[in-house]
Amino acid sequence: QKEVEQNSGPLSVPEGAIASLNCTYSDRGSQSFFWYRQYSGKSPELIMSIYSNGDKEDGRFTAQLNKASQYVSLLIRDSQPSDSATYLCAVITTSGTYKYIFGTGTRLKVLA
Amino acid sequence: NAGVMQNPRHLVRRRGQEARLRCSPMKGHSHVYWYRQLPEEGLKFMVYLQKENIIDESGMPKERFSAEFPKEGPSILRIQQVVRGDSAAYFCASSPIGQGVMYEQYFGPGTRLTVT
Repeated sequence: QKEVEQNSGPLSVPEGAIASLNCTYSDRGSQSFFWYRQYSGKSPELIMSIYSNGDKEDGRFTAQLNKASQYVSLLIRDSQPSDSATYLCAVITTSGTYKYIFGTGTRLKVLA
Repeated sequence: NAGVMQNPRHLVRRRGQEARLRCSPMKGHSHVYWYRQLPEEGLKFMVYLQKENIIDESGMPKERFSAEFPKEGPSILRIQQVVRGDSAAYFCASSPIGQGVMYEQYFGPGTRLTVT
């Protein structure tokens, strides 16, 4: 089992819809979770971090964390074509030493 | 407040040559991480450094690859005797604090290495 798993996609949503991106992780002791956006040919850009169970909202983005289910998600409201990118989930695992582990990313396509 | 800087942005090397990639962390950050990304693949952790210290090099190939972060100057990722399979994007990230419960990593623009 991979430490951080994401569906590679592509996930296609129409413009204006809500895009829902999901990530599961294997280390039950993990406490820190991050979402990055990566446009093709560019470097990852930090969008949000979340540390507590529940929802955290920032503009059109909402991160949701459920530690019991080992599940973190990112919702993008009112999706725009400019949101088309690969979204990377990252988790700090605590098995042994603290490590920042990235998922392989979900490619999102927002259709105009 | 300058972000993470990497140079060169593009590097072309012939097989057998050496590649030297540089990374200057964000101001106030003393922790540097190197990642490699092959086309259409995820980020692969290579090495984590603090000033004058390699903390974790578990992701770095044992041969031909080395990294340093001297007391003065940028962090350097060195690849000796490059092969075609080394062609990839190499990203550097920095953080203000190191291994712990919560810290955020910020990425530089990357160096795209092409081996011909």
